Amino acid sequence: DTGVSQDPRHKITKRGQNVTFRCDPISEHNRLYWYRQTLGQGPEFLTYFQNEAQLEKSRLLSDRFSAERPKGSFSTLEIQRTEQGDSAMYLCASSRRKNTEAFFGQGTRLTVV
Amino acid sequence: GQQLNQSPQSMFIQEGEDVSMNCTSSSIFNTWLWYKQDPGEGPVLLIALYKAGELTSNGRLTAQFGITRKDSFLNISASIPSDVGIYFCAGQLFQGGSEKLVFGKGTKLTVNP
Repeated sequence: DTGVSQDPRHKITKRGQNVTFRCDPISEHNRLYWYRQTLGQGPEFLTYFQNEAQLEKSRLLSDRFSAERPKGSFSTLEIQRTEQGDSAMYLCASSRRKNTEAFFGQGTRLTVV
Repeated sequence: GQQLNQSPQSMFIQEGEDVSMNCTSSSIFNTWLWYKQDPGEGPVLLIALYKAGELTSNGRLTAQFGITRKDSFLNISASIPSDVGIYFCAGQLFQGGSEKLVFGKGTKLTVNP
């Protein structure tokens, strides 16, 4: 059990570019969550998957954001036409089932310049 | 949206002192989780609580799930320098079928040797 893995750890991109982040959950966990965290705030929920099904999306997830978990294992989060306001830490978490511990990865720090 | 009120926002203590922080909400939660986050890293799970009134310890850490299901506290005894960081409470709502975690804004702990 190597924990939740996120890649890359850091990403600097120019405004208007597309970026994609990857998350590999703990292997036996069927639930995968994406959160966004800005400076001085707690993580804010973006979306979650149960296996390959995306079951809940936050209003924070604008049309420029899309997440996938095609085979119920790893997940990707894509941001199209990035804006400076997208600069944040993007966190992935996984859990075995509902109402159990959620374990977070180390996050991807996005800076849009 | 749902909010967790976490207090205090920050604490400055001497090594060896005990620490207490808490979270309250107007909503009912069925799970409370406490996390610690170091700069540039993802949150690390400290304690998970699942039943109203439950009191759980993890080493020097003790947390309780409030009887009303609307609050939780975390105590750290005999603080040490490595306790420095930001502590977050997170709750999973009781109703609505949502599985998202709602986070507080964090308590920043500084321990003076």
